[in-house]
Formats: sequence, structure tokens, C-alpha cells
Amino acid sequence: DVVMTQSPLSLPVTLGQPASISCRSSQSLVHSDGNADLNWFQQRPGQSPRRLIYEVSNRDSGVPDRFSGSGSGTDFTLKITRVEAGDVGIYYCMQGSHWPRTFGQGTTVEIK
Amino acid sequence: EVQLLESGGGLVQPGGSLRLSCAASGITFSTYDMSWVRQAPGKGLEWVSTITSSGSNTYYPDSVKGRFTISRDNSKNTVYLQMNGLRAEDTALYYCATLKLRMGTDYWGQGTLVTVSS
Repeated sequence: DVVMTQSPLSLPVTLGQPASISCRSSQSLVHSDGNADLNWFQQRPGQSPRRLIYEVSNRDSGVPDRFSGSGSGTDFTLKITRVEAGDVGIYYCMQGSHWPRTFGQGTTVEIK
Repeated sequence: EVQLLESGGGLVQPGGSLRLSCAASGITFSTYDMSWVRQAPGKGLEWVSTITSSGSNTYYPDSVKGRFTISRDNSKNTVYLQMNGLRAEDTALYYCATLKLRMGTDYWGQGTLVTVSS
């Protein structure tokens, strides 16, 4: 199975400051078509997960451009340029390139 | 408005069975692969199963293979998860989701709670 390793697991951030979450996969997520199925999800307290990013760097509709995804191969990053109070929650990466689908452990973003 | 409405959760004894349902509305259900994802209390997300849009292919992790069966009825816009041989470690909130990988909106339900305990 592809192991997804996120860091850090806890991320205290000052409002208005940037935040960055790393996600590393134990195998390459690149398909033969050159794309990598790496999603980022946000789960706010008490809510269902919501996809933010697909195929490494594509933002879902309605996701603020403060959120961006990057990376390739086995190394991926989610960045928030200026953290707002509504960004508090747990962020998960998930790979869809291999079966079984696997999630990272989750990174808890909190306000300092 | 798109809705994925899960039902069928509850308290069951170890070794018991439950059948979860997820009724979809507001989407062309027959064009979506559908998945179940679970979240144990205070823990992270775990993928449980996926069924392709036509129902011809199903996928499971080793943790549930042979015990859980996913199915769908496109005439009823519903996906099911039959869970047999339940264990305490299956206790979780079970989400129905499209778990879309590429372009297009991804949808999740609110979840249904399964508790396995004697």
C-alpha cells in the first residue's frame, strides 16, 4: 500500500500568516499520462471533509486562491498564504493513483 | 442542490451485520463512481470501498475485504455497504462520497455512525 506521510501533524498559525503542510508518498503517484492523483481535503470541526485541491494543484470551485497545491512524484505541499479563522480544521492529503486509496494522518491547523 | 444521505448505522454486537445506504439526489448518479470513507472517533479518514459507475468493478482495502460488500442500484440512485463480521475496530462514522479524482465537484454526505460493541 502507498503510505502517505504528512508533516507537521499540528500547525499553530497566527492569523494572517502563511501555513504550509507537507505530504510525502511512499511511491510515485505519477500515472503514465503524466498526471498525479493527489487530493487535499479540509475538514472543519463537526463537518464532513471537503475537497480543496485535485491533481496536485487544481483548486476546486469556491476554494479561495489563498490555498495552493504543488509538488510532483512523491513530494507534495499545501500552502495557505494568509490564514483566516475559518481555515481552522484538519487537512488531509489522499492519493488516488493506486489501490487501495490512502490518506495521510491529517494535519491540525489551529490559531495561536 | 446535491445531497448524499446516509442511513442504516447503529449499534451492533461484534460479529454482527449492518447494511448502510446512501441515497443521492441532484446528481446524475449513474455517471459517478461512489465510495465509502470512514472515520473512527477522534481519528483520521480511511477509505473503505469504491464501486464504479456501472457497478462492474469494486475495490476494498485488506482491512474489510471479504467482510464488506459495496453495491449500487442506479435506478434508485442509491449505493449500499453490506458489512458482515463486524469488529470493534469498525466503529466509525461512515461517509458516502463521490471521492472524485479529477475535474468536477466532489460530494460527501454527513455520515452515519456505526458502533460495534457488546
